[in-house]
Amino acid sequence: LAKTTQPISMDSYEGQEVNITCSHNNIATNDYITWYQQFPSQGPRFIIQGYKTKVTNEVASLFIPADRKSSTLSLPRVSLSDTAVYYCLVGDNFGNEKLTFGTGTRLTIIP
Amino acid sequence: DVKVTQSSRYLVKRTGEKVFLECVQDMDHENMFWYRQDPGLGLRLIYFSYDVKMKEKGDIPEGYSVSREKKERFSLILESASTNQTSMYLCASSLGLGGRRPDTQYFGPGTRLTVL
Repeated sequence: LAKTTQPISMDSYEGQEVNITCSHNNIATNDYITWYQQFPSQGPRFIIQGYKTKVTNEVASLFIPADRKSSTLSLPRVSLSDTAVYYCLVGDNFGNEKLTFGTGTRLTIIP
Repeated sequence: DVKVTQSSRYLVKRTGEKVFLECVQDMDHENMFWYRQDPGLGLRLIYFSYDVKMKEKGDIPEGYSVSREKKERFSLILESASTNQTSMYLCASSLGLGGRRPDTQYFGPGTRLTVL
């Protein structure tokens, strides 16, 4: 399983765009990149998933460069309710459903 | 909406007790998972199951066992609870589509277990 590295914590002001970068230097050809969000006292929830280039949904965008050794989760115009822990996961489904969550990035939005 | 429910939000047990944590999902998912979450350590996979009566060890299975007798229910068992098993326990399920793309995991609200 590819190991991921992401910042332990980040602060941002309301209304700003927030970018959280995840490094995954040993990502394998079949691996996808998936991000989850966890609010206090809740289980994580899926945000976005991609394989290459750019993916966008109603919540976030995911940017993946050509070498796929890193990825960036972009949250547009954050609000206080975006305060959460964000996890970057790398892996595929072949023969094993395991994904490693790691410790994530604690994002704090400041009013 | 997928719903994953866990039997208790908070549980207090004594050292040596046998503890059952129950998880139920209502979306006919094939896969179910048990994690524990501790400060500074993130989520760690204890066991998962990809079918009824099937189970696979995760990263930290020691001191735990699981049971999946019905598709919708996945139980985590602490045979003899110890203080180092005090933690937040999270259950999850996923569809089990197969193929290369990882399935989305849907999590329950968690059970905060304290072992005294």
